[in-house]
Amino acid sequence: QKEVEQDPGPLSVPEGAIVSLNCTYSNSAFQYFMWYRQYSRKGPELLMYTYSSGNKEDGRFTAQVDKSSKYISLFIRDSQPSDSATYLCAMKHGGSQGNLIFGKGTKLSVKP
Amino acid sequence: DADVTQTPRNRITKTGKRIMLECSQTKGHDRMYWYRQDPGLGLRLIYYSFDVKDINKGEISDGYSVSRQAQAKFSLSLESAIPNQTALYFCATSDLTGSANEQFFGPGTRLTVL
Repeated sequence: QKEVEQDPGPLSVPEGAIVSLNCTYSNSAFQYFMWYRQYSRKGPELLMYTYSSGNKEDGRFTAQVDKSSKYISLFIRDSQPSDSATYLCAMKHGGSQGNLIFGKGTKLSVKP
Repeated sequence: DADVTQTPRNRITKTGKRIMLECSQTKGHDRMYWYRQDPGLGLRLIYYSFDVKDINKGEISDGYSVSRQAQAKFSLSLESAIPNQTALYFCATSDLTGSANEQFFGPGTRLTVL
């Protein structure tokens, strides 16, 4: 089993829809959870990160962590065509030396 | 100006050639990373450096070498390029003081080995 699993999609939704993107993981030591957005032919950019469990909201984006289920989600409300990109989850354990473990990314397309 | 820059942005080369990809950053971060990205395989860590005197192998270091010339510069070399090294290469940086290790990526170098 891979440490981090992410459905590659592609996921296609109409403009205005609520989008749910998810990752599962197997390492219970993970404490930091991040979401990156990558536009075509660009480098990944950090969207949000959360520590341990709970929710974090930033505008139209909400990140959710359920450590008991080893499951994280990113919700996008009122999705826009400009949200069309690949979304990668990433996570690491609590120590300062650990590197990020990335999911393979989910490709999202928001149709006008 | 971009905080993390990579040169070249695109490169086509032939099998057996030596190639160097360069990364510079103005973020003042101590940690630097090299990744490659392939369709269906995601981001894979090649090498990372926590400071100028510290170099570590990542998941897929075979066929690659790196040099940390200064805090702000980290280069990746392919000593003898082969076609399966065709990929998108990213440099990233992170702050030594951050436990979350949030990484900030450059724009990428698209490398094609014929």
